[in-house]
Amino acid sequence: GAVVSQHPSWVICKSGTSVKIECRSLDFQATTMFWYRQFPKQSLMLMATSNEGSKATYEQGVEKDKFLINHASLTLSTLTVTSAHPEDSSFYICSARDLAAKLNEQFFGPGTRLTVL
Amino acid sequence: GIQVEQSPPDLILQEGANSTLRCNFSDSVNNLQWFHQNPWGQLINLFYIPSGTKQNGRLSATTVATERYSLLYISSSQTTDSGVYFCAVGRSQGNLIFGKGTKLSVKP
Repeated sequence: GAVVSQHPSWVICKSGTSVKIECRSLDFQATTMFWYRQFPKQSLMLMATSNEGSKATYEQGVEKDKFLINHASLTLSTLTVTSAHPEDSSFYICSARDLAAKLNEQFFGPGTRLTVL
Repeated sequence: GIQVEQSPPDLILQEGANSTLRCNFSDSVNNLQWFHQNPWGQLINLFYIPSGTKQNGRLSATTVATERYSLLYISSSQTTDSGVYFCAVGRSQGNLIFGKGTKLSVKP
């Protein structure tokens, strides 16, 4: 149980295009999902908190108009990188917590590796 | 915000050796998790351990919440244990704050 999937696993795109990344909780529901970014040889940094049915909250320094988040259901959150540039190349990982669980344990997706040419 | 420090940053072991990884955090938390990040980037949940001691095979973890630290023990290490180990903490249902990780290399 407690499986989180992400699609796609990797994507290569041209500068200026937009890329959508999906995060799904496969066997549980989540009102909140988190999006993290990891640059090579670094730790994970929180980008934004995705809230089902309401606007996402973004960490300081993360442009909300560039990283669009939509949490349309209790099992799906999407991150769209708009007008991507090479500096957006990174590893993007989502996480979620089971709404029905007593514990605060979070589960992570396998990540999406974005390369912008 | 909460600060998380992991030590050592790098660790090289011979296969079969034991090791202890440490995680210090600067404030009270209700969530503490240990992860192993595999070469493909997937974070594998090792332990959810905001307090107390747990064991899973060759791995065990202890968190002393009152003293704000957690330890991850790896016994009889294997080459497949290589990778980066992250400690992450959080409050209630909020996001996790990650340490910088310990990179473990186990040599055959």
